[in-house]
This record gives sequence, C-alpha cells and structure tokens, in this order.
Amino acid sequence: SQKIEQNSEALNIQEGKTATLTCNYTNYSPAYLQWYRQDPGRGPVFLLLIRENEKEKRKERLKVTFDTTLKQSLFHITASQPADSATYLCALPSGYALNFGKGTSLLVTP
Amino acid sequence: KAGVTQTPRYLIKTRGQQVTLSCSPISGHRSVSWYQQTPGQGLQFLFEYFSETQRNKGNFPGRFSGRQFSNSRSEMNVSTLELGDSALYLCASAGDPLGPQHFGDGTRLSIL
Repeated sequence: SQKIEQNSEALNIQEGKTATLTCNYTNYSPAYLQWYRQDPGRGPVFLLLIRENEKEKRKERLKVTFDTTLKQSLFHITASQPADSATYLCALPSGYALNFGKGTSLLVTP
Repeated sequence: KAGVTQTPRYLIKTRGQQVTLSCSPISGHRSVSWYQQTPGQGLQFLFEYFSETQRNKGNFPGRFSGRQFSNSRSEMNVSTLELGDSALYLCASAGDPLGPQHFGDGTRLSIL
C-alpha cells in the first residue's frame, strides 16, 4: 500500500539554525511532491511544489530536494525564526487525490 | 481575492444524527477536495470534485458523501454520525487540479 512517512517526533532547534525535515514514501511514482505548513486551528498553507525532474527548488529561506531514486524529499528552512514554528506536511498525488504525511512539528526557540 | 470559506466553523452533534458542511472555493477554482483530520490518522483524503463530478474518493464508508454545484461551491454530508467522526473537516480548492491546494480553516465537528 502507499505510504508517506514523516518524522513523528517534534524537531526542536535554536533560532538561526537550519531545520531539515524528511519525507519518505513507498509505492508512489509521483510526478511532483508538495510541502505545506499548518498552524494550530488553521488549514494547511501551500509552500512549495517540486516536480520529478527537478532536484532542488528554493523560495526565500526554504529549500526542497526531491530524490525519486531514494523516494525521499528533504525540506530545509535556513536561518530559522520562532515564527517558523508549525507543523510541516508533505503531500503526494494519487490520481486526483492528494495524500498527506502526518507531518512533523517544528519548534524554533529564541 | 477571497480565500476558501467553510461554514460553520464549529458544530456539535450527537450520535446517529446527520450533518452537512459547506465550502465556497476561491473564485475561478473548479476543483474542490475534502479532507478529514484527526490526531491519530492525520489528514485523510475524502473526495475531489471537478465541474460537479466526483473524480476521486478516499477510503471512507458510504455515510460520507458530497456534491458540487454549478458555481463550484461544495457540500459534504455525513449520515448516522459516530463518535469516531469527530474531526476537523477541511476543504481545499485548486485552479489546477494537479497543483497547489488552497485550504479553508475547516469545520470542527464534535460528536457527543
């Protein structure tokens, strides 16, 4: 069956450091992968989409890599700030559905 | 541009009742998806509609149904509510069905 795995343990890092979150998947051959951010009590907010033929994508302090051989995506936040504290979700398409991992909670402390 | 609007924000029901949740997508978006989010299972896909047609359905019982209107607004219905249906129900719209999804802030459904 299809699986999307994200580290269930919360990631605690110090302000200014780089946060790296992992998304591993099985039984998918995705044309793309998406990352979202979710704050408590709110709906997810789209951050980045990376296509299968792209190795890396950047947006401001965010960087995503996509390795279809390893079946893994890494999500980096550089120069992290307390405002980056949230849950980060990766998502993969399956037909017209979008399947999400359970997310990784990131806490950035001053 | 107004975002995705879901109503109501909070709802309390009892077992056996039924409920209808509403979603107004971003203007111009024709794809609307529904998700259930619980602490244990995370965000799970319910169904997706495009131009009033359901194109994909997740692994949920038939008690969960939905529809989309000609103006792209969508509703989902849950009949014979069970305690396990307590969750945050999220709606998302997309201009490109294979692109980024724009979520509303959800309807928090509590079953007593």
